[in-house]
Amino acid sequence: DGGITQSPKYLFRKEGQNVTLSCEQNLNHDAMYWYRQDPGQGLRLIYYSQIVNDFQKGDIAEGYSVSREKKESFPLTVTSAQKNPTAFYLCASSIEYTEAFFGQGTRLTVV
Amino acid sequence: KQEVTQIPAALSVPEGENLVLNCSFTDSAIYNLQWFRQDPGKGLTSLLLIQSSQREQTSGRLNASLDKSSGRSTLYIAASQPGDSATYLCAVRYNNNDMRFGAGTRLTVKP
Repeated sequence: DGGITQSPKYLFRKEGQNVTLSCEQNLNHDAMYWYRQDPGQGLRLIYYSQIVNDFQKGDIAEGYSVSREKKESFPLTVTSAQKNPTAFYLCASSIEYTEAFFGQGTRLTVV
Repeated sequence: KQEVTQIPAALSVPEGENLVLNCSFTDSAIYNLQWFRQDPGKGLTSLLLIQSSQREQTSGRLNASLDKSSGRSTLYIAASQPGDSATYLCAVRYNNNDMRFGAGTRLTVKP
């Protein structure tokens, strides 16, 4: 089945710890995105990548980092610099300017 | 500033009723508009994509319209069912990296 796989589904982070969220797609899409969703708010863009080895900051990139070494993979690291990381994180992909497809999300909680 | 607004924030209807969800956007220079469904704790499922040159798209009981000049889109759901209960999100694409999301309308269809 073609699609986007995010893992883990739930993730717990201790204070001062870096954690990495995985996003893999087998849709052969060039563009990939990371969004953050907080209750009652629209999705906000953290990072996006149009091609391998290239990525750009979105609206709320502070405290996050990404890499794009393979077309299929776009992992997101939530660093200790992110002061309020508890949220639902969504990964998406698309062919340029067309329909976007989303993964099932990772819920990150600070403990 | 490019903003996307969805009204109402929540809607409750009896089963079988036809209903309309609204999405408005402040900047009409869009590439496309996409409607999504989100179940609790899940990712986004794409429902309909309307290109900027189109007026409407249909899929089964769903019909989405687009009026760029007035900055509005509607999602019409015919003969609603309890299984339609979810949050519905609209997203406006302004370029390859810029999709702006509304906060969503939470729909409850009562048996």
